Parts: sequence; C-alpha cells; structure tokens
Amino acid sequence: EPEVTQTPSHQVTQMGQEVILRCVPISNHLYFYWYRQILGQKVEFLVSFYNNEISEKSEIFDDQFSVERPDGSNFTLKIRSTKLEDSAMYFCASSDGRGLNYEQYFGPGTRLTVT
Amino acid sequence: KNEVEQSPQNLTAQEGEFITINCSYSVGISALHWLQQHPGGGIVSLFMLSSGKKKHGRLIATINIQEKHSSLHITASHPRDSAVYICAVPNSGAGSYQLTFGKGTKLSVIP
Repeated sequence: EPEVTQTPSHQVTQMGQEVILRCVPISNHLYFYWYRQILGQKVEFLVSFYNNEISEKSEIFDDQFSVERPDGSNFTLKIRSTKLEDSAMYFCASSDGRGLNYEQYFGPGTRLTVT
Repeated sequence: KNEVEQSPQNLTAQEGEFITINCSYSVGISALHWLQQHPGGGIVSLFMLSSGKKKHGRLIATINIQEKHSSLHITASHPRDSAVYICAVPNSGAGSYQLTFGKGTKLSVIP
C-alpha cells in the first residue's frame, strides 16, 4: 500500500540553525500538508500546498517557515532559524483531492529537538 | 474558529468492552475526520464522514450534523486498540480547508 514517508525520523539541532524536514507524499497525490504537534499538545495545522504554491497557512507559519516541492517527489519544510519552541513532532500529509472531503494520509513524523 | 471538544480525555477498558469516544464542535462542517495516533506517534486516518454512519471492521463512526456531534465506537476492544483517538474538523469559513484537531482521547485496553 502506498505511504507517505518522512526523513529524518529524529533531528536534533541548535537554536538559530536552519533545518529542512523532508517528505515524500503518495505519488499520485496533489495536495500536501504540514502539521506539528508539540509534546503533550494537540496537532496543529501549519500549511497546505497545491500546484507549487501555498494554498493556506496558519498563524504559526510565519516568515521563519517555508515549504517547497523541489522536484516531482519531495515536499520540504524549512525552518530558517530554529527556536526552542519549534521543538515538536512534524507530520507531513497528502491527499488526492482538495478540501476536507478527501482523506489525508499522514507520514510517520519527524521529531525535531531544538537545544 | 471551530472549537473541538473530545470526551473522555482518558479511557481505560477491559478487553472485549464496547468503547465510545465523543467529539463535539462549534461550527457547522462538511466533513469530520477520526484519526488514530499510535504510541510511537504515527497518525492513521480512520474515517472521514459527512453524514450518518461508517463502519470499518470493529470501528464505527457516527455523526449528527445538526447537533454538531460525532462518536467513535469500538466493539470487542483489544489491547492493540490502545492509542490516542483524535477528532478533526474544518477550522471555519467557506473555502478554508484547515483542520482543527481535538486534544485526543487516550484509550488503554487491558487484557
């Protein structure tokens, strides 16, 4: 069964460093999402992406964040200058249709630890 | 902004018991998602429903759009069902596809 993959599974970085989290969505999917979950808290929407541009973003997704689909398969989330509060689990998801009547398939997550 | 409340927060059950997890939301929606988060952190989509009832194996999800309420039921619960169950709904407004997530219900099924 096709699945969303994410690398790395765990990333440790120092405050102020740039990190890139990588995702490979399901191959025929067109809509991509990033979510984060701070330890012990609920999952939060960050951004959705379609046709090589951001379709929607939350207030969390500020200028420190960017997303890119650099080739036909990868979907990346970059955090330019990490802060301690960026420590969280980051989930990528993809779907084959837009809107919430389409199931989203989640990756296993990347645990980001900022020290 | 849609507010999502789940109950209970924590639930411990004996193997074989019938489980019910509830989700209420504040703003009318087109579809609601039930997700399962494994102890290791991974998230799996269980159901997406916009009306009535859906069934997958021992899992049943129902939704009452008028009452802004959904329930997830697990029949003949098993220790492998132990996980956090999360309800998610559209945030608000026409054209928004942001999901707002509940805090989750942590289910522990004891053999």
